[in-house]
Amino acid sequence: QQQVKQSPQSLIVQKGGIPIINCAYENTAFDYFPWYQQFPGKGPALLIAIRPDVSEKKEGRFTISFNKSAKQFSLHIMDSQPGDSATYFCAASSSSNYKLTFGKGTLLTVNP
Amino acid sequence: DGGITQSPKYLFRKEGQNVTLSCEQNLNHDAMYWYRQDPGQGLRLIYYSQIVNDFQKGDIAEGYSVSREKKESFPLTVTSAQKNPTAFYLCASRNFRGADPNEQFFGPGTRLTVL
Repeated sequence: QQQVKQSPQSLIVQKGGIPIINCAYENTAFDYFPWYQQFPGKGPALLIAIRPDVSEKKEGRFTISFNKSAKQFSLHIMDSQPGDSATYFCAASSSSNYKLTFGKGTLLTVNP
Repeated sequence: DGGITQSPKYLFRKEGQNVTLSCEQNLNHDAMYWYRQDPGQGLRLIYYSQIVNDFQKGDIAEGYSVSREKKESFPLTVTSAQKNPTAFYLCASRNFRGADPNEQFFGPGTRLTVL
């Protein structure tokens, strides 16, 4: 049973575009929703995270939108750059056990 | 220079051999985790430890073993019982008293190839 579903699998945008990556979860006990960025051959790096008591969080060019009733959250990258080309993972965990459940990832390509 | 180190970066082993992957952290983090990453599969939890001398199975523990004899070290052994061991292995750690105790920080990974 996949508890965090991520889409799309891959995404190609032009420089300056706004890629949007979506995730949906099933477990209502989840209360922490991070996004990770991973470059080829490297470990994932924490990008931004949100809790269900807010509907949006922005850090630099990265924004998370959160819809608690729909059990969905998404990552928006403003003014995307070729250097943003990477695989992005959403995840979720509960403060009862802190175990992260990951989506399957989205390969983003930003063309110059 | 604080962080999580994993060694080696690349590892090649023959089928049927046990192999141990190293994970060390000097962040004074309490919990440590091992994940396996396969193409198109995201990250899956193998084992985790929240305290020295204690660890729990994750979602795919079969064929793996761990130990936590020191707070800073959490080695993973891939045994011959693991049917498909070729993968990218990632270690992570978490600080109970951090800015957000949910945050997990990852090491650079070890790519294991079984020939």
